[in-house]
Amino acid sequence: NAGVTQTPKFQVLKTGQSMTLQCAQDMNHEYMSWYRQDPGMGLRLIHYSVGAGITDQGEVPNGYNVSRSTTEDFPLRLLSAAPSQTSVYFCASSSPGLNNEQFFGPGTRLTVL
Amino acid sequence: QQQVKQSPQSLIVQKGGISIINCAYENTAFDYFPWYQQFPGKGPALLIAIRPDVSEKKEGRFTISFNKSAKQFSLHIMDSQPGDSATYFCAATPNSGGSNYKLTFGKGTLLTVNP
Repeated sequence: NAGVTQTPKFQVLKTGQSMTLQCAQDMNHEYMSWYRQDPGMGLRLIHYSVGAGITDQGEVPNGYNVSRSTTEDFPLRLLSAAPSQTSVYFCASSSPGLNNEQFFGPGTRLTVL
Repeated sequence: QQQVKQSPQSLIVQKGGISIINCAYENTAFDYFPWYQQFPGKGPALLIAIRPDVSEKKEGRFTISFNKSAKQFSLHIMDSQPGDSATYFCAATPNSGGSNYKLTFGKGTLLTVNP
């Protein structure tokens, strides 16, 4: 199993550009989440999904859109990138269960100029 | 509002020493408390986790101590090794029903273990 994969690893955007961060998992996990990691801030939840066709907002959703058309994929879209969205983005997946682990991908480092 | 407070921000320990990282939470609905370890350039990985029905959980050199009344929990790394040098995050979630997709993280502790 590849686990959770994310593409691209690095990306530089100009203010106002749009892009999609890709996330895929091959563990048949129902739950998927997007976090952003900023220095000194820990990881903060952007959006999450509890199954195909179901998404909801996390702590910091503004400026981001998500959709979940399949169990495997959970892309994160930036419609109009802003410098404040410069961050490292992590996708994670997990199965329902009281003690089930949330598995994280390797991250995408995004810089918005 | 920061729901999980983590300290210290950074920690330097000599090889063989004990590393202690502390976290406190505010939301009494939290009932699952994992610790994640992150190496530079990598995603976080689960290290150890605890539920509030126990006061301590040990896995090898890693121990979580949990104080429900004080709403505090801590990670102890015994016999710290240079390979333990990483950033450690505590987290919490209302896990009832298996809702482990909404982790609230502390801000992280950068641990350096000197040889």
